[in-house]
Amino acid sequence: DVKVTQSSRYLVKRTGEKVFLECVQDMDHENMFWYRQDPGLGLRLIYFSYDVKMKEKGDIPEGYSVSREKKERFSLILESASTNQTSMYLCASSLRQGRNEQYFGPGTRLTVT
Amino acid sequence: GQNIDQPTEMTATEGAIVQINCTYQTSGFNGLFWYQQHAGEAPTFLSYNVLDGLEEKGRFSSFLSRSKGYSYLLLKELQMKDSASYLCAVRDRASGGSYIPTFGRGTSLIVHP
Repeated sequence: DVKVTQSSRYLVKRTGEKVFLECVQDMDHENMFWYRQDPGLGLRLIYFSYDVKMKEKGDIPEGYSVSREKKERFSLILESASTNQTSMYLCASSLRQGRNEQYFGPGTRLTVT
Repeated sequence: GQNIDQPTEMTATEGAIVQINCTYQTSGFNGLFWYQQHAGEAPTFLSYNVLDGLEEKGRFSSFLSRSKGYSYLLLKELQMKDSASYLCAVRDRASGGSYIPTFGRGTSLIVHP
């Protein structure tokens, strides 16, 4: 059974803190993605990676960075958390070719106070 | 860039049929996905269309017209458990040569007895 896991389901951080969100997939997928999901705005792409050490900006990369040192792991970093980064964060992975539907992790609900 | 439009909310009666529309504008279309997302859960893959026509999978069908930039998801014999958000995602070529999807804002379907 395919699996994407995220390090935390719920996280509360203070403004200015550095925050790490981890995502691991066990399907040997080349592509990995980080989204945030907010009511009325849908899923918005922050960053994606199509290979180890490769990354590309999505639609809303400001305030975020990512790291992909191993194929199975993709980390999202908030260098200095702000209240407007309070959101649900979803990680996904997919094959690089073919139908390449995405498999999503359970999400991390981050609250920045 | 892409512009994806789908209704915000729809309601239907148990046992009925409902059609959720998605229109899009994109510069390099390479496939359209439908995902289902129950409240508090991750999106899960429902269907994929890359050629014109209807794809049927049990109670769910998805249609695509590339010339019209139009797709719909058809749900038959509605059940209460079909109450969820339905996300339309259009795959396009990103910089670096990867194909990645962009999501619409989702349609919240409420099924009532």
